[in-house]
Amino acid sequence: AQSVTQLDSQVPVFEEAPVELRCNYSSSVSVYLFWYVQYPNQGLQLLLKYLSGSTLVKGINGFEAEFNKSQTSFHLRKPSVHISDTAEYFCAVSEGGGFKTIFGAGTRLFVKA
Amino acid sequence: DSGVTQTPKHLITATGQRVTLRCSPRSGDLSVYWYQQSLDQGLQFLIQYYNGEERAKGNILERFSAQQFPDLHSELNLSSLELGDSALYFCASAAADRPPLHFGNGTRLTVT
Repeated sequence: AQSVTQLDSQVPVFEEAPVELRCNYSSSVSVYLFWYVQYPNQGLQLLLKYLSGSTLVKGINGFEAEFNKSQTSFHLRKPSVHISDTAEYFCAVSEGGGFKTIFGAGTRLFVKA
Repeated sequence: DSGVTQTPKHLITATGQRVTLRCSPRSGDLSVYWYQQSLDQGLQFLIQYYNGEERAKGNILERFSAQQFPDLHSELNLSSLELGDSALYFCASAAADRPPLHFGNGTRLTVT
């Protein structure tokens, strides 16, 4: 069965510093991978997705993620964060051809001035 | 704005009661998903409908039920409510029967 582990529950970082939010998944078949962001009192917004093809995917707001099949990881990165990036970030996996999308527990990114 | 509409935004009710949450998917989307988000259990997948038919089931309690209507809107019915059912309930929609999902802003349910 598929599962998602987000390795950090909270990540504090200073403004303009780089950040990496880590995500590992478990699945026995091919997968689709996603990162979502949730701002306070809002729903989840799709940041980026990996369906197939290039393992480096670029998303909105300057974020990117790299799919590593051998390490079953899909880490999210941004070279320089802003205060406005403070939010909760969710990694999600859906087994290729499947219907269920399973979410990780979330990582709270806190950007300090 | 994702285009997914959920009503009501907030709902306060008592234990033992029954409530109905409503979701209108994005225009053209055939799939509707329901998720429950709580502090202790995170984001839990409940159920998915595609073009009116149930497609996948997750951790949905027997006290909960859902349906998708011919106009593609969906309703999640929660009955015999318990304090532990207090949570944010999200609806998401997708163009076909697979992701990516587009989320509404949720319904915050408080059971007192």
